[in-house]
Amino acid sequence: GNSVTQMEGPVTLSEEAFLTINCTYTATGYPSLFWYVQYPGEGLQLLLKATKADDKGSNKGFEATYRKETTSFHLEKGSVQVSDSAVYFCALRNNAGNNRKLIWGLGTSLAVNP
Amino acid sequence: EAQVTQNPRYLITVTGKKLTVTCSQNMNHEYMSWYRQDPGLGLRQIYYSMNVEVTDKGDVPEGYKVSRKEKRNFPLILESPSPNQTSLYFCASRPGSANTGELFFGEGSRLTVL
Repeated sequence: GNSVTQMEGPVTLSEEAFLTINCTYTATGYPSLFWYVQYPGEGLQLLLKATKADDKGSNKGFEATYRKETTSFHLEKGSVQVSDSAVYFCALRNNAGNNRKLIWGLGTSLAVNP
Repeated sequence: EAQVTQNPRYLITVTGKKLTVTCSQNMNHEYMSWYRQDPGLGLRQIYYSMNVEVTDKGDVPEGYKVSRKEKRNFPLILESPSPNQTSLYFCASRPGSANTGELFFGEGSRLTVL
């Protein structure tokens, strides 16, 4: 079946450090891939997405590339800020069926210190 | 402002006392869904609805009911809450057709069952 595996947190970085959060997936067919972010006390919101192999999603300085050969969608940012402290969720969507539900990773908590 | 609104945001109740968590969206979305978020378990889908009067079970529907009488509303009903339903609940919505996969989340409802 479909599944998403994220690196365990928490991840603690200093401001301006480089960030990588690993995400790998198992899926049949050609899923779409997503990163969602959950800021403290809020609901999840879409950060970026990619719908086919080699697509790169980007937003707010974050990037992730859909790598079919390694079944990965790692999240990166060159210089994190304190305001990036949040929980990050990797997810995939099987594009078949009506539900088209998202399959979620367990989330990775990021804390950025000044 | 486009949003998904949940109420209550926080609730402490006792075992067996029926409660309803309301969810309303103002984006005219066909699809709505309920999730619960628990430490170490990530996000799990409880129920979803493809449109008015069309609902179906997600991954963890036991102990919950839903209804979809109007497009904008999708209440979650706990007929006889138990302590294992203590959790953080999220309602989410998206367009039904030609969807990009982006889910729009409410801010969450933290429920404690004593």
